[in-house]
Amino acid sequence: EPEVTQTPSHQVTQMGQEVILRCVPISNHLYFYWYRQILGQKVEFLVSFYNNEISEKSEIFDDQFSVERPDGSNFTLKIRSTKLEDSAMYFCASSGETNTEAFFGQGTRLTVV
Amino acid sequence: GESVGLHLPTLSVQEGDNSIINCAYSNSASDYFIWYKQESGKGPQFIIDIRSNMDKRQGQRVTVLLNKTVKHLSLQIAATQPGDSAVYFCAEITDWGNKLVFGAGTILRVKS
Repeated sequence: EPEVTQTPSHQVTQMGQEVILRCVPISNHLYFYWYRQILGQKVEFLVSFYNNEISEKSEIFDDQFSVERPDGSNFTLKIRSTKLEDSAMYFCASSGETNTEAFFGQGTRLTVV
Repeated sequence: GESVGLHLPTLSVQEGDNSIINCAYSNSASDYFIWYKQESGKGPQFIIDIRSNMDKRQGQRVTVLLNKTVKHLSLQIAATQPGDSAVYFCAEITDWGNKLVFGAGTILRVKS
């Protein structure tokens, strides 16, 4: 069964450092997403990406965040200068069409120290 | 503004009983709703979905009910099993399907 894969599973970084979270969406999907979940809280939307550009972003997704699809398979989330409050689980998701179910990866746990 | 919330943050049920998890949503323009299950340390896993032109949809052991009049969504799990223990999120799709808006989540604990 096709699945969304994310690497690494856990990333520890020092405050102020740049991190890149990587995702391989399901191969024939066209819509890609990043979500964040702070421990014990709900899943929050960060950004959606379609046709090689951002289609929507939340207020969380400020200038410190960027996304890229560098090739035909990877979808990355970059945080330029991490803050302590960026510590969370980051989930990548993809869907084949708009307004349909999104399939989620297992997440990357980001810990900023 | 948009918000999706849950009535019960924690639900404990006896194995074999039926579970009902509730969710209220506020955006009447939402036209697609999904229930996700999240086990500890894992990503949300799709359970069942329903579109706004339906009021009920059944899957294997699960049923989703949608009441648009009161903007209420529920997930019914029949014969709850220990493997059903997880956090359950309702989510709605708005804005032409660009994003999912998740509710706060309900913890389901199944007692053996």
